[in-house]
Amino acid sequence: RKEVEQDPGPFNVPEGATVAFNCTYSNSASQSFFWYRQDCRKEPKLLMSVYSSGNEDGRFTAQLNRASQYISLLIRDSKLSDSATYLCVVNGGGQNFVFGPGTRLSVLP
Amino acid sequence: DTEVTQTPKHLVMGMTNKKSLKCEQHMGHRAMYWYKQKAKKPPELMFVYSYEKLSINESVPSRFSPECPNSSLLNLHLHALQPEDSALYLCASSQILAGIQETQYFGPGTRLLVL
Repeated sequence: RKEVEQDPGPFNVPEGATVAFNCTYSNSASQSFFWYRQDCRKEPKLLMSVYSSGNEDGRFTAQLNRASQYISLLIRDSKLSDSATYLCVVNGGGQNFVFGPGTRLSVLP
Repeated sequence: DTEVTQTPKHLVMGMTNKKSLKCEQHMGHRAMYWYKQKAKKPPELMFVYSYEKLSINESVPSRFSPECPNSSLLNLHLHALQPEDSALYLCASSQILAGIQETQYFGPGTRLLVL
């Protein structure tokens, strides 16, 4: 089993739709969790850290379920500019950052 | 300021060339990373430096040689590369503070083409 797994997609959704991504991880000792977005031919950019209590930033909501070892990202009212690859990153402690394969999102007009 | 800078942005080199990639950050981060990323794949860890010492080497071929001259700078020396080494090379940094969640910040990358 891979350490961090994501559905690669692509998810093709119309503008204004709500879309949700899940990410599962295998290391139960993982300490911190992140969502990054990466545009084509650009570097990953931090979208959100994911906290145990869940957190929201505008149209984006991230949740963590430690018991089931998954994190989720919900995007409401999708914009064309949300089209990107969303990378789930899990930190197993210290400098041990493990990337998921990424989920591609295309928001269509 | 969460900026990591990398030079050059693009690099084309022959298989007999020697070149270096450079990375710099002024956030006081004491961990720095090199990643390699191929198209449609996630970043793949190559090296980690913690407090200017190499702490992780993910079995990278010796034609890639990292160097951390000081806490702000990270270099990747390239020699006798193969065409399959063509990729986006990403530098990242993170803080090391007990009890504080480490977050990685990435530079814009160097797009390398080996001919």
